[in-house]
Parts: sequence; structure tokens; C-alpha cells
Amino acid sequence: GNSVTQMEGPVTLSEEAFLTINCTYTATGYPSLFWYVQYPGEGLQLLLKATKADDKGSNKGFEATYRKETTSFHLEKGSVQVSDSAVYFCALRAIQGAQKLVFGQGTRLTINP
Amino acid sequence: NAGVTQTPKFQVLKTGQSMTLQCAQDMNHEYMSWYRQDPGMGLRLIHYSVGAGITDQGEVPNGYNVSRSTTEDFPLRLLSAAPSQTSVYFCASSYSKAWGETQYFGPGTRLLVL
Repeated sequence: GNSVTQMEGPVTLSEEAFLTINCTYTATGYPSLFWYVQYPGEGLQLLLKATKADDKGSNKGFEATYRKETTSFHLEKGSVQVSDSAVYFCALRAIQGAQKLVFGQGTRLTINP
Repeated sequence: NAGVTQTPKFQVLKTGQSMTLQCAQDMNHEYMSWYRQDPGMGLRLIHYSVGAGITDQGEVPNGYNVSRSTTEDFPLRLLSAAPSQTSVYFCASSYSKAWGETQYFGPGTRLLVL
């Protein structure tokens, strides 16, 4: 079946550090891939997405590239800020079974000033 | 646009009580869904709908009912609440159920069943 595996958390970094949150997936065919962010006490917001191999999604300084050969969609940011503290979810929407998003377990990120 | 709205934000129930979680969207989206979020488990699909009058089960449907009488509204009913249903519930919608479509989430309802 379809699944998403995310880097175990929590992750704690200092402000201006480089961020990578790993995400790998298993799916039949070529799914669409998403990163969602959940700030404390809020719902999930779409951060970025990619719908085909080698696509790069980007938003708010975050980037992720759809790598078909390694079935990965790692989230990166060059210089994190305190305001980036949140829980980050990697998710896929498969061609077969597109009625649902399949989520990873989430990675809690804390940025210290 | 208000996007996806949910009420209530927080609810406490006793075991055996029933209640309805409300969800509405003003984006004219055909596809709507309900997820529950539990610690360390990501989000799991409860029920979904691909249009008014059409609903189907997700991966954890037991104990929940849904109906879709209008495009805008997709309420989730707990018929007889159990402590295992303590969770945070999110409603989501997208233009269609196509694989490339983005799902937009509501702010969530936190439910505690005693």
C-alpha cells in the first residue's frame, strides 16, 4: 500500500541554521507530494507541493524536490527563523486511492533564538 | 473567502453521548473529507465525499456517520461516543478528488470523551 516515512523528531535548531527534514514514500505509480505545516493550536496549511518527478516546490524559503529515483521529497530551508517552529507533515496523494492524503507521522521543529 | 470552517473548536463528551461536528466550505469544492489526528500517527481518513449525496468510508470509519446534502456542508456524527474517539478532528476540501489537487484544512475540533 501507499505510505510515507518521515524523519523522527523532535528537531531542535538554532536560528539561521540549515534545515532538512527527510521524507520518503512508497506508492503505486507517481503520486503528488505535499508538505503541510501545523502551527501550535492551528490546522494544517499547505506549505508546498510537487506533482511530477524533478518538480521543485517552494514557498516561504522552504524547498523540496520530487525525486523519483530515491522516492523522496526532503524539505529544506537555508536559514530557519523562530517563527518556523511548528509540526511538519509530508503527505502523498496517489493516482489510485486519490480520495485520501497519506500522511507521515509529522516532525516537530523547534527553533531557538 | 472563509475557506474551511469547523465548529465547535473544543468539546467534552461523556461516553455514550452523541454529537455532530460541523464543517463548511465556501470554495465550491466537490471533494470533502474528515480526518482524525492522534499523537505519533499523522492523520487518518474517516469518511469522504466526492459530491452532494455521495459519501464513502475511509480507513477508520467505525463509530462515525456522515451525510452530504449540500456542496458546502459535510457534518460528522458520533452516534455513541467512546474514549477511543478522543482526538483532534480535521475537515478538508479540494476542488476534486484528483491526485494533483491540494486539500485545504479547517482549524480542527478537539474532542475529549470521558
